[in-house]
Parts: sequence; C-alpha cells; structure tokens
Amino acid sequence: DVKVTQSSRYLVKRTGEKVFLECVQDMDHENMFWYRQDPGLGLRLIYFSYDVKMKEKGDIPEGYSVSREKKERFSLILESASTNQTSMYLCASSLGGPGQRAFFGQGTRLTVV
Amino acid sequence: TQLLEQSPQFLSIQEGENLTVYCNSSSVFSSLQWYRQEPGEGPVLLVTVVTGGEVKKLKRLTFQFGDARKDSSLHITAAQPGDTGLYLCAGEEYGNKLVFGAGTILRVKS
Repeated sequence: DVKVTQSSRYLVKRTGEKVFLECVQDMDHENMFWYRQDPGLGLRLIYFSYDVKMKEKGDIPEGYSVSREKKERFSLILESASTNQTSMYLCASSLGGPGQRAFFGQGTRLTVV
Repeated sequence: TQLLEQSPQFLSIQEGENLTVYCNSSSVFSSLQWYRQEPGEGPVLLVTVVTGGEVKKLKRLTFQFGDARKDSSLHITAAQPGDTGLYLCAGEEYGNKLVFGAGTILRVKS
C-alpha cells in the first residue's frame, strides 16, 4: 500500500521562524500536493508539483515556498512563520494521469506562537 | 482554480435515517472524488466518478456524477454511527490538480 509520511505530527514554532515541513512518498508518484485544512474551509491547495523541480502555485501560496529535488520528497517552507499560518498541513501524492486517487499523509498540526 | 460548493456543512441525524450530501460547481471536472476523513488522520478515498451520469454504489453509499460533470452527490442509506466523519468532495482539474470542497461533517447518533 502507498505510504505518505510527514515528518512531524505536531509542531510549535515562534513567529518569524523559518519552518520546514517534509513529506515523503514511497510509490514513485509523479504528483505531490501540499494543502492546509482549517475548520469550515476544507482543504486549500498551497502548492502542487507534477515532476521533480516542477511546481505550480495553488490557491493560497503567499507566505510559502516548496522544494522538490527528488521525486519522493516534497518540502513545504514557511519563510517567516506567522500566527495566521497556524493550521493542519496535509501532504498528498498521486500518479500522473486522469482519475488517479490522492494518498494523504496523517497531517502536521502546526502552531505558531 | 474552479470552486466546489459542498452542502450541507453539518448534518446530525439519527441512526437509520437517509441523507444526501451535494457537491456543486459551475465548471467541468475530468473526475470527481469523494473522501472520508477521521479525526487526526488524512482523507481516504471512497470513490472516483469519471463519466457524466455515472452512478457507483459502495454498500450503503451511492455516488452520482452529474451528466455535465459539474456536480455530484453522495447518498447514504440507513446511516450508522460508524458513518460519522468528515466527507469531502474533490474535483480533478485538467493537469491532475485536485480542488476540494469545504466538507460535510456528518454525525450519526445511536
């Protein structure tokens, strides 16, 4: 079965810190995604990558950047964390091609204080 | 990005009742996926519908994709407490990007 692993379940960071969220998938998937999930807002796409070194902005990329140097790893970077970035962050991966399901990690609950 | 409107946002029903969750958009998707999420976990796929008018059944769950591939519904028959959770619809845009609705929190009381 596909496994998507996020490096931390819970994280507490201070305002202004640079934060790295790591995600690794073990099934050679082309696509990887970073979402944030907030109550009543569902999952909002931050960034999407369809290949190594390729990335596309999602709906809410401001304040975030991403890195995909290897196919299995997709990192989300908060350049200078702010309290409004306190949220649940979910990473997902999928095969290329239409109709492919997304496999999600367990999420990272980030609190910025 | 295309928008997906999901309704209702919250549903609290008694065991044995039927319910329908709706997912609507003004845009066409190449596929529509339904996920269920438990607290503390990532969403898990329930079903993918691809063809306009398609109906899929998963035990007591029936999923329908609109003829124009812009909307979908999830119908649960005789809901049970184990159905409690967050239900999310996701539309696949061309290029494999997935956009999600806001979700429906379902609570089934015994």
